Amino acid sequence: EDQVTQSPEALRLQEGESSSLNCSYTVSGLRGLFWYRQDPGKGPEFLFTLYSAGEEKEKERLKATLTKKESFLHITAPKPEDSATYLCAVQGGDDKIIFGKGTRLHILP
Amino acid sequence: GAGVSQTPSNKVTEKGKYVELRCDPISGHTALYWYRQSLGQGPEFLIYFQGTGAADDSGLPNDRFFAVRPEGSVSTLKIQRTERGDSAVYLCASSLMPGGNTEAFFGQGTRLTVV
Repeated sequence: EDQVTQSPEALRLQEGESSSLNCSYTVSGLRGLFWYRQDPGKGPEFLFTLYSAGEEKEKERLKATLTKKESFLHITAPKPEDSATYLCAVQGGDDKIIFGKGTRLHILP
Repeated sequence: GAGVSQTPSNKVTEKGKYVELRCDPISGHTALYWYRQSLGQGPEFLIYFQGTGAADDSGLPNDRFFAVRPEGSVSTLKIQRTERGDSAVYLCASSLMPGGNTEAFFGQGTRLTVV
């Protein structure tokens, strides 16, 4: 059964303090690994898709990387507006998209 | 429309009543997903449509839950004999499949409260 585990559950950082969020996964026939951002009371907002091990994608202060077992979301010099829940999801050969529980990120000014 | 639209945004219903939640996907997207999200949790998969047919409904918790997509566009999630445990945010997402990028785009959700 496909499974996604995210760590840590919550993370508090000072503004400018870089860190990484982890997403470990097991999936049959990976079609894609996705990162989303979710703000309170809103639907998840798409950030990145990674398709194969070794792939990297960047957007502003965020960079996502992928290995055969896990993905990292690196946040460089974060700002308070980066505070949100970050969700990781995988799509397997059955096309179902399964989510982890998310990491709640809080950036202190 | 420009994005996925879900209506209503909020729904309060009494225990035992029937509710329908609507999802209008991005135009041209053939895949449509329904999820349920409880406070502090990630989205929990319910059902996935490819076109008009339910390709995978393994996440529906029991037979009180049913979803349709009769014309391959708008979808309705139907919950019979609602229970207080059904209270959650119900999210809908659509993606351009097959052959295109597979990332799914979400609506804002319907917050269902069963009292």
